[in-house]
Parts: sequence; structure tokens; C-alpha cells
Amino acid sequence: QLHLQESGPGLVQPSEPLSLTCTVSRASINNASYYWSWLRQPPGGGLEWIGGVYHTGYASLSPSLQSRATISIDISRNHFSLRLTSVAAADTAVYFCARQRAEPGTRGGIFDFWGQGTPVTVSS
Amino acid sequence: VVTQSPATLSASPGESATIYCRTSQNILRNLAWYQQKPGQPPRLLTFGSSTRTTGLSDRFIAFGAGTEFTLTINSLQSEDFAVYYCQEYNDWPPSTFGQGTKVEI
Repeated sequence: QLHLQESGPGLVQPSEPLSLTCTVSRASINNASYYWSWLRQPPGGGLEWIGGVYHTGYASLSPSLQSRATISIDISRNHFSLRLTSVAAADTAVYFCARQRAEPGTRGGIFDFWGQGTPVTVSS
Repeated sequence: VVTQSPATLSASPGESATIYCRTSQNILRNLAWYQQKPGQPPRLLTFGSSTRTTGLSDRFIAFGAGTEFTLTINSLQSEDFAVYYCQEYNDWPPSTFGQGTKVEI
């Protein structure tokens, strides 16, 4: 069964960049059927999609974060990464990576496998 | 825009609970439901507005098309008390979730 695992710092200073990596195991991310996505959930809040990256390296980002977010993929290491610049307290959240499965006839897809999530706190 | 209601739903074990999701545009049947328990990632329950994932109890019934969708949980059991989210995927980007519904005892 597919396994996703997030890794990265749990504490980031305000205005600094946040970098997270999602390592995928038991399946290759070099697969045209999926987007590899990042989502986040602030404390006590709902789910927010940050963006996703295709196996070709093409990434799509949330309009609200696209000026600060970059998502990249490393096929050789079977992982993908998120970089979020100029973080602030509002970026404090649990960050999840997930596989987004394209559904026929739609432009989007469903999130069928998730990592456990990694909490990130932005604080000095 | 995806609007989910109610924010909180109180029910007793054995009862039924219905969660509503409304979209601002016609998304055909392209809606998914997720369940999230404390400290866990969301778990995909249904997609295509009514298709259950493998192994999901038939007590979970998803229904709807267009702009109006429901998730009904029949005969609530202790493990069903959680937060539920809907997600529309007809258009993308972005991926849009509802605000969540907490089903509590």
C-alpha cells in the first residue's frame, strides 16, 4: 500500500522560508495518473489546498499562495517538496502531502492517500 | 464556493445523521466526502457523489448532483463521531473543500 511521509522543521521563524519534503514509498511518483499535492490545516480549522505537482514537474498552485509557494518533484528520489517563503503566524498549520487521483471527465481529482501530517509553527 | 452545513451535528449512537454540501456552480456528480478523526489525516469515504471506497460500511450513503449533495450516516456507531468534509473536483485548480461538519455525541 502506498505510503507518504512528510518531513521538515516543526518551527520556523517569521519571514523565513518553510521547506517540507514528502517521501513516497511502495509506489513510483513517476505516474501520469496522479498529482502529488500539499494541503494544510490550521489549528482547529479546515482543509486548504496549497498546490500539486505532476510527474513532469508541472505545478499548479492555489491563487492565494502562488506568490509564495513552490512545489517541485524529484523522480530519482521518489519525493516531492514544498517551499513557502516569507512565512507568518497565519502559516502555522499541520501540513499534509497527498496523492490526487485524476477522475475521468473532470479537471480535478480526489485525494486518495495522505501522509500523517507534520505540524509547523511559525514563531520567533 | 462550497458551503457545508451544519457546522456541528449532535446525535446519539444508533441514530442517523445527514450532512449537506452546496456548491455555487453545477459540478455534476464530482463531489467527494472525507472523514477526519483527531490527530489523523482525512480519509476518503466516497467520490463521484455516491461511490464508496473499498471496505466502507454501507451505513454511509452519499447522494446528490448538480449543486446539492448529502452524506447520511445511518445507525451511528462510536467510530463515526468525527469531522466530515466535502470536496468538489469538477473544476481545478483549486481543489475546494467545505468548511467541515463535526458529528458529536
